[in-house]
Parts: sequence; structure tokens; C-alpha cells
Amino acid sequence: GDSVTQTEGQVALSEEDFLTIHCNYSASGYPALFWYVQYPGEGPQFLFRASRDKEKGSSRGFEATYDKGTTSFHLRKASVQESDSAVYYCALGDPSTSNYNVLYFGSGTKLTVEP
Amino acid sequence: EAAVTQSPRNKVAVTGGKVTLSCNQTNNHNNMYWYRQDTGHGLRLIHYSYGAGSTEKGDIPDGYKASRPSQENFSLILELATPSQTSVYFCASGEGDWGPYEQYFGPGTRLTVL
Repeated sequence: GDSVTQTEGQVALSEEDFLTIHCNYSASGYPALFWYVQYPGEGPQFLFRASRDKEKGSSRGFEATYDKGTTSFHLRKASVQESDSAVYYCALGDPSTSNYNVLYFGSGTKLTVEP
Repeated sequence: EAAVTQSPRNKVAVTGGKVTLSCNQTNNHNNMYWYRQDTGHGLRLIHYSYGAGSTEKGDIPDGYKASRPSQENFSLILELATPSQTSVYFCASGEGDWGPYEQYFGPGTRLTVL
């Protein structure tokens, strides 16, 4: 079945460091890929999505590029700030299935940024 | 402003009791979803709905029922609550017709079953 794997459970960085959070997916079709961010005490917030190979999604300085060859959608940011500390979720939706409005979420990556 | 709201925000229940979690959305979205969030598991889908009167099972429906009486409201019902259902529950809404679409989440309900 469709699934998303986030390999890092936790990431600790200092301000102005470069961020990469890895996301790999498994899907039978050509899925749409999403990134969400969740701040403490809040619900997840949609960051951005990409729907086709080589498409780049971006928002708030974060970006990810859909790579069908490596089945990846890694989240990157050039210079993190303390306010970026949150949990980040990668998700996919598969339009080739009958459940095309269901999203499958990864297990999340907790980012902590020290000042 | 369009939003997803949940009530209650915190709930303490006793084992064997009935619990109802409520969700309201003003996004005018056809689809609504219930998830639970547990450390190490991320977000897991319990039930979802494509519109008023419809409910569908998600990945972990056992022990839960859902009700969608209107476009705006979607409830999650635990008929006989158990300690293993202690978790944070999130409701979300999303557009219908041709997906997949992003979902918009409420602030969550923290449920503790003693």
C-alpha cells in the first residue's frame, strides 16, 4: 500500500544552519506530495504540495522538489530560525486509487533550533 | 475566517464510558477526517466522510464510530472508552470532487481515559 517514510525522528540545529528532512514514498500510482508543520499545542498546518515529477513546492522559506526517480520529496531550508522549531510531516495522496482524498502521513520529524 | 474547530479541547473520561468528540468546519469542504496522534506513530486516520450522511473507515477504526449529520459537523464517538484510546485527536476538512487535496486541521482534543 501507499506509505511515507521519514528517516529522522529528531533533528537538532543551530540558527542559520541548513536544514534537510528526508521523505521517501511508496505508491502504486503518481501521488501528490505534501509537507505540513505542527507547532506545539496546535494542529498541523499545510505548508505546500507538489503533484508531478521535478515540480518544486515552497512556502515560508521551505522548499522541496518532487523526484520520481528516487521517490523522494525532501524538505530543505537554507537558514533556520528558532521559530522554525516544530514537528514536520510529509504526506502523500494517491489519485489512482478509490481513496484519492485520503492522505497518508509519515511519522513526523521534530526539529529543534537552538539560538 | 474559515476554520476547523473542535470541542472539547480537553477531556478526561472513565474506562467503559461514552465519549463524543465534536468538530465543526466553516470551510464549506465536502470531506472531513478524524485522526489520532501518538508519539512514534504520527497521524493515523480513524474515520472520514465525503459529505453529510456518509462515513468511511480509515486505517484504525476499531473502537470508534463516526457521525456526519451536516456539511459542517463531524463527530467521533467512543462507545466504550478504554485507556488505549488516550491520545490527541485531530479533525480536518478538505475539498472533495477530484483529489488529492490538502487538508486543514483543527487545534486538537486531548483525551485521557482513566
